[in-house]
Amino acid sequence: KQEVTQIPAALSVPEGENLVLNCSFTDSAIYNLQWFRQDPGKGLTSLLLIQSSQREQTSGRLNASLDKSSGRSTLYIAASQPGDSATYLCAVNTGNQFYFGTGTSLTVIP
Amino acid sequence: EPEVTQTPSHQVTQMGQEVILRCVPISNHLYFYWYRQILGQKVEFLVSFYNNEISEKSEIFDDQFSVERPDGSNFTLKIRSTKLEDSAMYFCASSGTLEFWQPQHFGDGTRLSIL
Repeated sequence: KQEVTQIPAALSVPEGENLVLNCSFTDSAIYNLQWFRQDPGKGLTSLLLIQSSQREQTSGRLNASLDKSSGRSTLYIAASQPGDSATYLCAVNTGNQFYFGTGTSLTVIP
Repeated sequence: EPEVTQTPSHQVTQMGQEVILRCVPISNHLYFYWYRQILGQKVEFLVSFYNNEISEKSEIFDDQFSVERPDGSNFTLKIRSTKLEDSAMYFCASSGTLEFWQPQHFGDGTRLSIL
């Protein structure tokens, strides 16, 4: 069974800092990996989707990489802002099923 | 931008009662999903639905759960006889036009509280 782990569980950084969130998965047979943001009491907002054949995707200050063979993905956030404070989730798609990690709770201190 | 909408935002139900959670996916999407998130735990996949039938379901999705697309716009999750452990946030998602490996778009969820 696919297991998805995210490290660290929580992260607190000063505004302006660049940071990296990590996601690892146990079974490399995936179709794609998606990064989400979740604000308290809210649903999930899609940030980036990386197909299994891709190595990275970029959107604004966000860059996600994927190393399928080693079962790892990273989400890089440049020049962090207080508005980036949220929980970040990664999810792997193994076909018709998505497996989520436990998330990294990010706090950006003004 | 089109979005997935879920109703109600909060549902309180007595244990043993039936509950129906409703979702309106993005209009041109073909793939639909239900997830749940128990407080403080991971988001867990329940079921995926395509072409008017279940594509895949998890171990959680037992006989007390069912899904339906009763018309061209709604997608519902029914829990037949609710238990205390069904208390969670339930998320609906939709994706894809012709290719399912497109981003999933989530609704804001329905918080289900079983008393």
